[in-house]
Amino acid sequence: AQKITQTQPGMFVQEKEAVTLDCTYDTSDQSYGLFWYKQPSSGEMIFLIYQGSYDEQNATEGRYSLNFQKARKSANLVISASQLGDSAMYFCAMREVGRDDKIIFGKGTRLHILP
Amino acid sequence: KAGVTQTPRYLIKTRGQQVTLSCSPISGHRSVSWYQQTPGQGLQFLFEYFSETQRNKGNFPGRFSGRQFSNSRSEMNVSTLELGDSALYLCASSLGTGTHQPQHFGDGTRLSIL
Repeated sequence: AQKITQTQPGMFVQEKEAVTLDCTYDTSDQSYGLFWYKQPSSGEMIFLIYQGSYDEQNATEGRYSLNFQKARKSANLVISASQLGDSAMYFCAMREVGRDDKIIFGKGTRLHILP
Repeated sequence: KAGVTQTPRYLIKTRGQQVTLSCSPISGHRSVSWYQQTPGQGLQFLFEYFSETQRNKGNFPGRFSGRQFSNSRSEMNVSTLELGDSALYLCASSLGTGTHQPQHFGDGTRLSIL
């Protein structure tokens, strides 16, 4: 079973609108970290935001916020006031504790911002 | 502060050859991970090193190997190259291996096998 599921392979959003990228995860650990990364067409992976499993508040970083719903195992990325430069591939990732604690990435969502 | 540096940026090889990719992490970072990214398979974890020890390994054949030096720099080696090894190879570093520590990526090495 996939540990990280991103159900939206592609999305088209009008510039200046808010956009929500979905991410659900599967873990039996109580302690884990959730991350979102952005990959523009140039290829580099850019770290956007982090949410810890014990954090009570949703993480925010500028225009990015993470809608964390622990009981539903959901960690959606919200981008407010989207810009043309937001067009990119977005990956959700998780790191658990324990022996097999590598970071696992979802398959990504390609976001297109329309002018 | 300099980011993660990967060399070379581009590489063209033929089947059967071997290749070594290099990664210099952010200063102070002790964990280095390697990923293979292809359009069909997405981002796949290869291995992670911390303090010169391999901590985790993905599901790749033994042709893929790596190591980490005492200065945290890491190399990845692929022997007997196959056409399917054509991919973007990404290196990422983090301060440590805790669940709260994000990885910071280099620009990648794009490997093409002819």
